[in-house]
Amino acid sequence: IAGITQAPTSQILAAGRRMTLRCTQDMRHNAMYWYRQDLGLGLRLIHYSNTAGTTGKGEVPDGYSVSRANTDDFPLTLASAVPSQTSVYFCASRELAEGSDTQYFGPGTRLTVL
Amino acid sequence: EDKVVQSPLSLVVHEGDTVTLNCSYEVTNFRSLLWYKQEKKAPTFLFMLTSSGIEKKSGRLSSILDKKELFSILNITATQTGDSAVYLCAATSYGQNFVFGPGTRLSVLP
Repeated sequence: IAGITQAPTSQILAAGRRMTLRCTQDMRHNAMYWYRQDLGLGLRLIHYSNTAGTTGKGEVPDGYSVSRANTDDFPLTLASAVPSQTSVYFCASRELAEGSDTQYFGPGTRLTVL
Repeated sequence: EDKVVQSPLSLVVHEGDTVTLNCSYEVTNFRSLLWYKQEKKAPTFLFMLTSSGIEKKSGRLSSILDKKELFSILNITATQTGDSAVYLCAATSYGQNFVFGPGTRLSVLP
């Protein structure tokens, strides 16, 4: 069982290019999340999805889009990358059940936009 | 606006010391307080706290929540170099919102 996988591990991208970060979980969790982590700012929520077919905006959604076509996959797309999107991106998932707030995180994608 | 504040932001101790990490929160419709340890990559879950005054313990780590004063502490006794990490605190709400603090970077020297 892999848990949550993310791809690529790292990427250097020219400004203006389109990029999709992939996230796949094999735990059949309902909810999935995308965060970015920047020094001194902790983890900030970009988008989330409580179940396949639905998505919602987090704290910092501008410049990003997501889709949730099925339970396992939750890709994050940067339509036109800008240098301020240089960050480490974490995908997470959790089971939406009473008493279960634990999120499981993927290994992260380090993205550099030049 | 929901927010979580952690202190100190960084801490350097020697092996064997005891440390206390602080987390205060302001979250609408508060549900739970989570602690994570982040070493090189992904955060890993430590504790989830929902009730005031009930200590959660795992080995040398323990944590407690005060819902009246809106804070939590994470204690690590007899620290080891393997405890060196960033410790993240997150508050959740019934609106499914997760708000993370900036983290405390703990360095344990041999």
